[in-house]
Amino acid sequence: DIQMTQSPSFLSASVGDRVTITCRASQDISDFLNWYQQKPGKAPELLIYGASTLQSGVPSRFSGSGSGTDFTLTISSLQLEDFASYYCQQSYNMPVFGPGTKVDIK
Amino acid sequence: QGQLQQSGPGQVKPSQTLSVTCAISGDSVSSNSVTWNWIRQSPSRGLEWLGRTYHRSEWYTDYAVSVKSRIRMSADTSRNQLSLQLNSVTPDDTAVYFCARGPSYTSGWYAFDIWGQGTMVTVSS
Repeated sequence: DIQMTQSPSFLSASVGDRVTITCRASQDISDFLNWYQQKPGKAPELLIYGASTLQSGVPSRFSGSGSGTDFTLTISSLQLEDFASYYCQQSYNMPVFGPGTKVDIK
Repeated sequence: QGQLQQSGPGQVKPSQTLSVTCAISGDSVSSNSVTWNWIRQSPSRGLEWLGRTYHRSEWYTDYAVSVKSRIRMSADTSRNQLSLQLNSVTPDDTAVYFCARGPSYTSGWYAFDIWGQGTMVTVSS
């Protein structure tokens, strides 16, 4: 099974900060990597698929990069509505999610 | 834009069967360009994909190894809805259960672009 890890687990930041979250796969998954945002009590929302393609309706301050085993999600200028948890998910084979990164207000 | 509306009991006794349904609007359960997935979330397991069902020339299902012996997913074309059944539940199955759509434009085993609202299921006597 492919294992997914994320770092950091928790991140404290301020509005306007540039934020980077890292996701690592235990084996090469090409670009079959997706990112989600989840707010408390809500379902996850798709932000990015195929490692770098922005889902329709997602603000352009979100971007994704990487291929193979190492991936990043970047928020160029953190907004109040971005304080949430973020998860990566591999879709190379049977889906596996990362453990998540919680972005909190500093 | 499609919507998924879930329903199901919030509490199930140990050893019994957990059942959740997911009504689809704005899309067809028989669509050849999507998969229909069940995913659960708990503090101990995080987000865990349970399986998928989808229609191409016939119906297919894939189940996660962790639940393969206990799970059944089905599609009701007359009601345009999905069903999840998980047998022989234990407290470890306590989680929020989500249905989610996987569109083919996301490639591979697909990402999940539309989610149900989630159903909290507690396994307790």
